[in-house]
Amino acid sequence: QKEVEQNSGPLSVPEGAIASLNCTYSDRGSQSFFWYRQYSGKSPELIMSIYSNGDKEDGRFTAQLNKASQYVSLLIRDSQPSDSATYLCAVLNSGYSTLTFGKGTMLLVSP
Amino acid sequence: GAVVSQHPSWVICKSGTSVKIECRSLDFQATTMFWYRQFPKQSLMLMATSNEGSKATYEQGVEKDKFLINHASLTLSTLTVTSAHPEDSSFYICSAPPQGLPNSPLHFGNGTRLTVT
Repeated sequence: QKEVEQNSGPLSVPEGAIASLNCTYSDRGSQSFFWYRQYSGKSPELIMSIYSNGDKEDGRFTAQLNKASQYVSLLIRDSQPSDSATYLCAVLNSGYSTLTFGKGTMLLVSP
Repeated sequence: GAVVSQHPSWVICKSGTSVKIECRSLDFQATTMFWYRQFPKQSLMLMATSNEGSKATYEQGVEKDKFLINHASLTLSTLTVTSAHPEDSSFYICSAPPQGLPNSPLHFGNGTRLTVT
């Protein structure tokens, strides 16, 4: 069974700090990885996608992928209270286009 | 672009009744749509894959006779929760990949909060 593991948190960081969110996955054949942000009671919204090993930066967000270690991470620089949400790691399953989600990490950014 | 519209946003129904949830792709054609369910403090769990013009594919443990899926057109998929019970109360979310881009991230509808009393 394909699995995506995340620390449930909560991860608490002060405003302005760097938040680091981690994710591991079991499907070694996976090629596409996504980070979604979900506010309470709302649908997930896409933050980042990453397909190649290394870093990918978009504004305050940096996604990191290491396929050999089956590890994906998301760094949020200059964290803001509005970043407080649950962050879901999602992996596109090899062979067919369904996503497996981790349980999410709750991030709390204190002013 | 690539907007997925879901309706209704929330619904309260009595136990034993049926509820229909609609999912529409507004500016693209979706031959495939996915239906997820999310219980409080849990992750999204894939229920079924809806395929235009053919039968849906259900994940293990999801009752196909209880969760009826119809994907009659390239822009509309519906999920009907039949004979709903309180344990079916959950957040149901549909999603679709952009047509022709199967490795692209999914676009999600706004979700439907179902409460069965």
